Amino acid sequence: GAVVSQHPSRVICKSGTSVKIECRSLDFQATTMFWYRQFPKQSLMLMATSNEGSKATYEQGVEKDKFLINHASLTLSTLTVTSAHPEDSSFYICSAQGGGSWEQYFGPGTRLTVT
Amino acid sequence: GDSVTQMEGPVTLSEEAFLTINCTYTATGYPSLFWYVQYPGEGLQLLLKATKADDKGSNKGFEATYRKETTSFHLEKGSVQVSDSAVYFCALSVGGSSNQFYFGTGTSLTVIP
Repeated sequence: GAVVSQHPSRVICKSGTSVKIECRSLDFQATTMFWYRQFPKQSLMLMATSNEGSKATYEQGVEKDKFLINHASLTLSTLTVTSAHPEDSSFYICSAQGGGSWEQYFGPGTRLTVT
Repeated sequence: GDSVTQMEGPVTLSEEAFLTINCTYTATGYPSLFWYVQYPGEGLQLLLKATKADDKGSNKGFEATYRKETTSFHLEKGSVQVSDSAVYFCALSVGGSSNQFYFGTGTSLTVIP
């Protein structure tokens, strides 16, 4: 089946620094990737949708200058949290769509803790 | 708009008990319906899905039937195990190139021995 990986699985950073999270589709070409954020004991909130080679489409209320998304290739999308603050601490999950299917395949998530 | 309403938890059951987690949906098109499971500290794993009315998705003893007349996709399992303890998310997708997923709020299940 389609496999999506995320790296790192956990990251701790200091307030004011930037953190990059990678999302890779391992065995298919992902034309579209999605980034979600999950707060403790809550559901997933879609942050943005990115198509390979074009700018990401952000959901309302998501700061595009703070959450930089790059989808430079058909197997890799990155989310960079810039000038991170403790309130950015969360579980970030990506998903990928492609390979001739409209299904989304989810990554294992990245736990970000900002101190 | 499209949305999913899911039974609130947490749910605590004894091992071998019967499980039902209710899920209803609202959709403008013809959605596909999904159940995802999230174990502690991990990402989402697809548990089962159904792509059209009257389809039954099943996996690992879990079942859910796509009921268009009641706009429901309730998750059931006849005999739960301790290892089933997790958070379960109902979701829908209308597919296509945008293919946005709409998730329910999740239901936490704890199975005690």
